[in-house]
Amino acid sequence: DAGVIQSPRHEVTEMGQEVTLRCKPISGHDYLFWYRQTMMRGLELLIYFNNNVPIDDSGMPEDRFSAKMPNASFSTLKIQPSEPRDSAVYFCASSLSGFSSETQYFGPGTRLLVL
Amino acid sequence: DQQVKQNSPSLSVQEGRISILNCDYTNSMFDYFLWYKKYPAEGPTFLISISSIKDKNEDGRFTVFLNKSAKHLSLHIVPSQPGDSAVYFCAATTLINNDMRFGAGTRLTVKP
Repeated sequence: DAGVIQSPRHEVTEMGQEVTLRCKPISGHDYLFWYRQTMMRGLELLIYFNNNVPIDDSGMPEDRFSAKMPNASFSTLKIQPSEPRDSAVYFCASSLSGFSSETQYFGPGTRLLVL
Repeated sequence: DQQVKQNSPSLSVQEGRISILNCDYTNSMFDYFLWYKKYPAEGPTFLISISSIKDKNEDGRFTVFLNKSAKHLSLHIVPSQPGDSAVYFCAATTLINNDMRFGAGTRLTVKP
């Protein structure tokens, strides 16, 4: 298995533009997580899905952020409109059975820079 | 609300010596703890975990200690190797709420 795949690896955009980050989880994993990493706050959980259904989006910072999982092999995280403070590395992760009984496998991340 | 804290942003250790990375948490409901290692330009990878019913878990050179009364855990790496140089994240979760929190990370540098 190729592991969790994220695209793009790097994204530079201007403030106000829409940004879409993509993730392909490991086949067979029922859980998918989106995280954001910043220097100040470390890793933060934004949202997670179980069997394509959003379970907890309490970590999503604002309404400008939205995430979808139309099928078991694909998820998107969208920021519209983007702002400079959204600049961070965004990680997608997947696991077989949630947080604690199985470890999460992380993708390489998307480094986002909003100018 | 930083429920998981790693108060040392960086740590430098000589090769062959022990590395001790610390993590504190505030939520007494956390019952499962994990350490992740992250190299530059890569996603975090799982390193070792411990359940709250234990106070120690060992895997090769890596040992995690949990002190529930102090709400403190630590990761010991013995002996440290240059390849261990990475950022280490402490994470905590609850079985009931499925609420996972990460610390800000500690950058470990192991000098040859």
